[in-house]
Amino acid sequence: GIQVEQSPPDLILQEGANSTLRCNFSDSVNNLQWFHQNPWGQLINLFYIPSGTKQNGRLSATTVATERYSLLYISSSQTTDSGVYFCAVGPYNQGGKLIFGQGTELSVKP
Amino acid sequence: GAVVSQHPSWVICKSGTSVKIECRSLDFQATTMFWYRQFPKQSLMLMATSNEGSKATYEQGVEKDKFLINHASLTLSTLTVTSAHPEDSSFYICSAKKPGHPWDSTEAFFGQGTRLTVV
Repeated sequence: GIQVEQSPPDLILQEGANSTLRCNFSDSVNNLQWFHQNPWGQLINLFYIPSGTKQNGRLSATTVATERYSLLYISSSQTTDSGVYFCAVGPYNQGGKLIFGQGTELSVKP
Repeated sequence: GAVVSQHPSWVICKSGTSVKIECRSLDFQATTMFWYRQFPKQSLMLMATSNEGSKATYEQGVEKDKFLINHASLTLSTLTVTSAHPEDSSFYICSAKKPGHPWDSTEAFFGQGTRLTVV
């Protein structure tokens, strides 16, 4: 099956710093989403981005489908950005299910 | 966006009993919902695909007799953990996708999850 790799697994930042999270996947997909999991476990939808570039405030994401990777950019990080960021991909013709990467645990220090 | 509601948020049960978790799509109809499980410090693993009006499709290694899934309507899917044991303690989370074309490329939305503890 499709493999999803996220890097780095852990990241510690000082408040105000910028960061880039990466998601590599091993096969073509027709869905790619980025999530932030809050301390209570809720998955917050950040981006639905099977291709192209999107921005939402301090966050932006780019997916290069032909090269099978996606990047999530966090600028001017805040302590509230702390948590686990997941990338999930939807393989073609597999009923719409999502395959998750292992996540990047981000800790932003004041 | 879309709203997916899951209930209960947390439950503690005794070993050997059964627990039912509900997943509802509140503002759209979902012919298909998905159930995931997440152990501490790990990623989400798909357990099964819940299909309205037909049997669920289980991922390899997931016991269908242990994790009963019923998709009774276009807005409700339930997961019942039967004869629960401590090793079933986990975070269970459901998702649903809004209709679209092609359907399997549309955005997925998740419930808030259910933390199950079996004692």
